[in-house]
Amino acid sequence: EPEVTQTPSHQVTQMGQEVILRCVPISNHLYFYWYRQILGQKVEFLVSFYNNEISEKSEIFDDQFSVERPDGSNFTLKIRSTKLEDSAMYFCASRDLLATNEKLFFGSGTQLSVL
Amino acid sequence: DAKTTQPTSMDCAEGRAANLPCNHSTISGNEYVYWYRQIHSQGPQYIIHGLKNNETNEMASLIITEDRKSSTLILPHATLRDTAVYYCIAMYSSASKIIFGSGTRLSIRP
Repeated sequence: EPEVTQTPSHQVTQMGQEVILRCVPISNHLYFYWYRQILGQKVEFLVSFYNNEISEKSEIFDDQFSVERPDGSNFTLKIRSTKLEDSAMYFCASRDLLATNEKLFFGSGTQLSVL
Repeated sequence: DAKTTQPTSMDCAEGRAANLPCNHSTISGNEYVYWYRQIHSQGPQYIIHGLKNNETNEMASLIITEDRKSSTLILPHATLRDTAVYYCIAMYSSASKIIFGSGTRLSIRP
């Protein structure tokens, strides 16, 4: 089965530093997402992206966050100045809206630790 | 999206059928019922979805009541690898996002 690929699997950074989390969605998918999960808590929606622009974003997705599809294959999440509370597992997902079964495919996540 | 209610936790013996209930009494006519699961800290995994009719695939069966106010996910022969948090979500198929609730933590005992 096709996969969503996320790199790196673990990222450690100092508070205040910028981080970029990378994702390669499934090749023919059109809708892309970022979610996060703080340890022991729910999976939280951050942002959805379609047709090269943000479709919807949550309250969590403030000015410190940005997303980009720099080329035809990658989808990135940038956190400009990390805070301790940004420590979480970040999941990328993609979806093919042209298919009859419009399920989300999730990557295995990037564990971000902010020190 | 309609609100769903699930038990916080359940357990099931290995090899037996696991039946996970979900209430969605305010579901609208065009909202689907989706089930996902999250094994440990992995990314959520799609299981099955349906609108009105019962559905079955290689992973599970989905039974939706005639009034569509509730549904049951059935794992026919649960294994230890089915230990996970299971999420029931009611949403339009064209929705731009999935909102995960707290789900049901299913434990499979040997």
